[in-house]
Amino acid sequence: GENVEQHPSTLSVQEGDSAVIKCTYSDSASNYFPWYKQELGKRPQLIIDIRSNVGEKKDQRIAVTLNKTAKHFSLHITETQPEDSAVYFCAASSSGTYKYIFGTGTRLKVLA
Amino acid sequence: GAGVSQTPSNKVTEKGKYVELRCDPISGHTALYWYRQSLGQGPEFLIYFQGTGAADDSGLPNDRFFAVRPEGSVSTLKIQRTERGDSAVYLCASGLAGGDTQYFGPGTRLTVL
Repeated sequence: GENVEQHPSTLSVQEGDSAVIKCTYSDSASNYFPWYKQELGKRPQLIIDIRSNVGEKKDQRIAVTLNKTAKHFSLHITETQPEDSAVYFCAASSSGTYKYIFGTGTRLKVLA
Repeated sequence: GAGVSQTPSNKVTEKGKYVELRCDPISGHTALYWYRQSLGQGPEFLIYFQGTGAADDSGLPNDRFFAVRPEGSVSTLKIQRTERGDSAVYLCASGLAGGDTQYFGPGTRLTVL
């Protein structure tokens, strides 16, 4: 069935360093890839998304890249700050079904 | 404007009881989704409504789970004969018709004792 794998499960970086989280999806019909940030006990918040007709998208310190051939997409956070500490989830969906298939999450810790 | 809201925020029940979880989507959003998030896991899809009808209920784990959206706005997730394994955070999300982006509510934490 449809599956999204996410790595690493935990990631610790020093403040100011970059963080990269990687996801792989199985359904070749997937064409929309959002990333959510979830702080403890809070709702998932959309931080960036990318559609399959685009290879890269950037929003200030956050960027996402997509490789459709390899079915990989990645989240890049530069100049990390302590407030970036949270759990990050990738997801994949396709037009028509719209349901999200989520990865298992990455707990990011930014050390001051 | 107001985001997606869910009530109650916490629900503790005993095994075998019936529970109802409510979701109020963002005004004007015709698409509504229910997900279940177990501790340390990503949300898992349960059901998707477009308007009043369930367009995809393939994620409901068994016939103890049922959801309705009678007027195309508020939705209720109903769980009969609850089991300890049903304990999780139940998330609701809404979005525009034909849109990709889903906006999540704060969730209802269900604990079955």
